[in-house]
Amino acid sequence: EAQVTQNPRYLITVTGKKLTVTCSQNMNHEYMSWYRQDPGLGLRQIYYSMNVEVTDKGDVPEGYKVSRKEKRNFPLILESPSPNQTSLYFCASSPGQGASGANVLTFGAGSRLTVL
Amino acid sequence: SQQGEEDPQALSIQEGENATMNCSYKTSINNLQWYRQNSGRGLVHLILIRSNEREKHSGRLRVTLDTSKKSSSLLITASRAADTASYFCATFFKAAGNKLTFGGGTRVLVKP
Repeated sequence: EAQVTQNPRYLITVTGKKLTVTCSQNMNHEYMSWYRQDPGLGLRQIYYSMNVEVTDKGDVPEGYKVSRKEKRNFPLILESPSPNQTSLYFCASSPGQGASGANVLTFGAGSRLTVL
Repeated sequence: SQQGEEDPQALSIQEGENATMNCSYKTSINNLQWYRQNSGRGLVHLILIRSNEREKHSGRLRVTLDTSKKSSSLLITASRAADTASYFCATFFKAAGNKLTFGGGTRVLVKP
């Protein structure tokens, strides 16, 4: 089944404890992206990647890191989480430029993160 | 920053009625998309309309686009309880970076 898989789905952590949210897609998509969703603020893009080794900042990149060493994986790293990063996080992917449906996103199920 | 603004923010209707929600945006676009989200789950793509199209249909969904007014509408006909969800519009403009910019969403409750 074509899908985007995120882990963990739920996580409670404490301020300053580094964590990684993994994201993997099995559709050979070039484009991958991370969003956070907060009440009243909709979905905001954190980082995106057009292809392997190519990443760029979205609208709210502060406090986050990403890497794209392989096409299928796009982990989100919080080096020193803070309470304002408590949110619902979504990873998404799409085929990429020039492909049919290039910018139609397939979303993961979400990762609910709480930072105490 | 949000590109699309949905209206209304929330909508409650009876099963069988039609649901209409609107999206306004600020900049030029290449396409506009609508997504559905069930209760904190991942978003699911519903329909895409390109900037040179005015109307598109998919099953019980009808989308219109008015680029002169920078607005779009999503109509769900003959709604069902299973249509209860949040609906988001998202705009894509290649020159602004290869990303979709989402609005705040419309919460739709379909009562049986």
